[in-house]
Amino acid sequence: KAGVTQTPRYLIKTRGQQVTLSCSPISGHRSVSWYQQTPGQGLQFLFEYFSETQRNKGNFPGRFSGRQFSNSRSEMNVSTLELGDSALYLCASSLDGLRNTIYFGEGSWLTVV
Amino acid sequence: DQQVKQNSPSLSVQEGRISILNCDYTNSMFDYFLWYKKYPAEGPTFLISISSIKDKNEDGRFTVFLNKSAKHLSLHIVPSQPGDSAVYFCAASNTGANSKLTFGKGITLSVRP
Repeated sequence: KAGVTQTPRYLIKTRGQQVTLSCSPISGHRSVSWYQQTPGQGLQFLFEYFSETQRNKGNFPGRFSGRQFSNSRSEMNVSTLELGDSALYLCASSLDGLRNTIYFGEGSWLTVV
Repeated sequence: DQQVKQNSPSLSVQEGRISILNCDYTNSMFDYFLWYKKYPAEGPTFLISISSIKDKNEDGRFTVFLNKSAKHLSLHIVPSQPGDSAVYFCAASNTGANSKLTFGKGITLSVRP
């Protein structure tokens, strides 16, 4: 059974640009959530999608957005990149997000220069 | 406000001995707790979970203890092995249609051969 797949794995962007990250959940999983990991900050929740609808949102500015497609694949977008957006962005999937174990992908390393 | 706290940033243990990783939480609505392990350049991997209706859950070398009155949980690894060296994240969620995981900042465990 394939795990959670994230692309791209590594990318470098310039301040002011925008970036789109992609996530393919485990087959059959309908909930996809996104987390940001920075040194010393642990994993911070960005948002969760279920059946193409954003069901929950963390405390991030509006520059961070996402969407989910009918096949449960998800994308997140960060506009007007700042240096502080440099982080590991993790996608996780679960059956329905309700007290199910969530399974993480390997992450997308974003560096903003 | 950090709702899930892992106050010790690191722990070093001799191979074969017990590793005890601690986690405290402040939100009394949390009723489901998980531990994840993370190696460098990989996504977090689910280890073990516990519901608030229990005070102990065991899976092989891993045992999680929950003390609801103290809002404290701990992960015991015994015996510790060098391959256990990783960052361990404690996470919590509360029952509800929009449950999300709140993570601590992680503890770096080093198991010395």
